[in-house]
Amino acid sequence: QVQLQESGPGLVKPSETLSLTCTVSGDSISSGTYYWGWIRQPPGKGLEWIGSIYYSGTTYYNPSLKSRLTISVDTSKNQFSLKLSSVTAADTAVYYCTRRGSSFGHPVLDVWGQGTTVTVSS
Amino acid sequence: ESVLTQSPGTLSLSPGERATLSCRASQTVSSSYIAWYQQKPGQAPRLLISGASSRATGIPDRFSGSGSGTDFTLTISRLEPEDFAVYHCQQYGSSLITFGQGTRLEIK
Repeated sequence: QVQLQESGPGLVKPSETLSLTCTVSGDSISSGTYYWGWIRQPPGKGLEWIGSIYYSGTTYYNPSLKSRLTISVDTSKNQFSLKLSSVTAADTAVYYCTRRGSSFGHPVLDVWGQGTTVTVSS
Repeated sequence: ESVLTQSPGTLSLSPGERATLSCRASQTVSSSYIAWYQQKPGQAPRLLISGASSRATGIPDRFSGSGSGTDFTLTISRLEPEDFAVYHCQQYGSSLITFGQGTRLEIK
């Protein structure tokens, strides 16, 4: 059974860089079958796609975050990571790591981590 | 980039009733790329429907999806107590993903 686990600081100061890592178990990122990515949800609000990465390092970013965003992959550790620079209070959210698989041939986010809360505050 | 608008924002119904949730896209979307998720408080979203109308593994048949073009619908035929949650529609296109703002289904 595939499991995703987010890790990283729960508190980040304004203007600093938010860094999170997702550890994948029960599957190998190197298999090349899936894309891996990040979703966030501000308190009381809807879901926002952040970006995705393939095992080769190919990335796709939300245009609204692209200038501040880096998603990377470490296949040796079976992990992928998120870095979001110059954070503000608007970046406070629950951050989920996800797997983009398919269901009946349709692309879907079929595996989710439990989520980690990141608060931006001084 | 197509924007998804879900309605209503909140739907108040009683167990046993039928729920109809709408997701409207600002541009035509391939049905293959529309999905629905259920999210309960404190939990990650769970996939319900893919390709606009295909139930994911383990999803009860009281959940159904339909639609094409710009208008998509999630229907819950007879609400069970565990169905009261937030529902999100999602589209995939050109390797980008967007979500609607969600519909909260609450007990009346």
